[in-house]
Amino acid sequence: DTEVTQTPKHLVMGMTNKKSLKCEQHMGHRAMYWYKQKAKKPPELMFVYSYEKLSINESVPSRFSPECPNSSLLNLHLHALQPEDSALYLCASSQTLAGGNVDTQYFGPGTRLTVL
Amino acid sequence: AQTVTQSQPEMSVQEAETVTLSCTYDTSESDYYLFWYKQPPSRQMILVIRQEAYKQQNATENRFSVNFQKAAKSFSLKISDSQLGDAAMYFCAYRSAREYGNKLVFGAGTILRVKS
Repeated sequence: DTEVTQTPKHLVMGMTNKKSLKCEQHMGHRAMYWYKQKAKKPPELMFVYSYEKLSINESVPSRFSPECPNSSLLNLHLHALQPEDSALYLCASSQTLAGGNVDTQYFGPGTRLTVL
Repeated sequence: AQTVTQSQPEMSVQEAETVTLSCTYDTSESDYYLFWYKQPPSRQMILVIRQEAYKQQNATENRFSVNFQKAAKSFSLKISDSQLGDAAMYFCAYRSAREYGNKLVFGAGTILRVKS
């Protein structure tokens, strides 16, 4: 089962709201990722978690706060977002961060976020 | 830093025919991995095919095959017997075998339209 699930599918929020995006995988993967994708553009890496620890933060503004409560779950907490943060947010997972066959990233369907 | 270039913003193919999507990359490394991902309008990024740079044999997955030219730094995707379900945005991606973090460097993408 190569499935990564994300909820919600769509989210509309105001600039003063606090909301969270959720990502889940049950493939036993120990690396999880958050990406931001604008329309007709490639995904941009935001965060990487490895064994539930934040490994990479690609200089993302603090209004985005990731959390990895356990090896299957990844959250992205949102607060005081700007309209330009409207995008598709993709989650991905891989077995580990190591090279070789284990490094393939499997993506979820994404959450379409609109900030008003 | 590595870069990936997809020079065809859009391509069209008649159903049942063959189409080739181009991808070139720039790197000074000798060991790396290359990927083609497909993103249909449903948004989910799906791995189509991957290639290890140390392997001379071109990867094949059913109707999808690559032409990997390491010296030319070229990694094109050939889709045979095109189907309506192949319509999507296709991203070429590069991953260093040495750098930490399993980061993917994406090309700008090619929109593939399939005509019936």
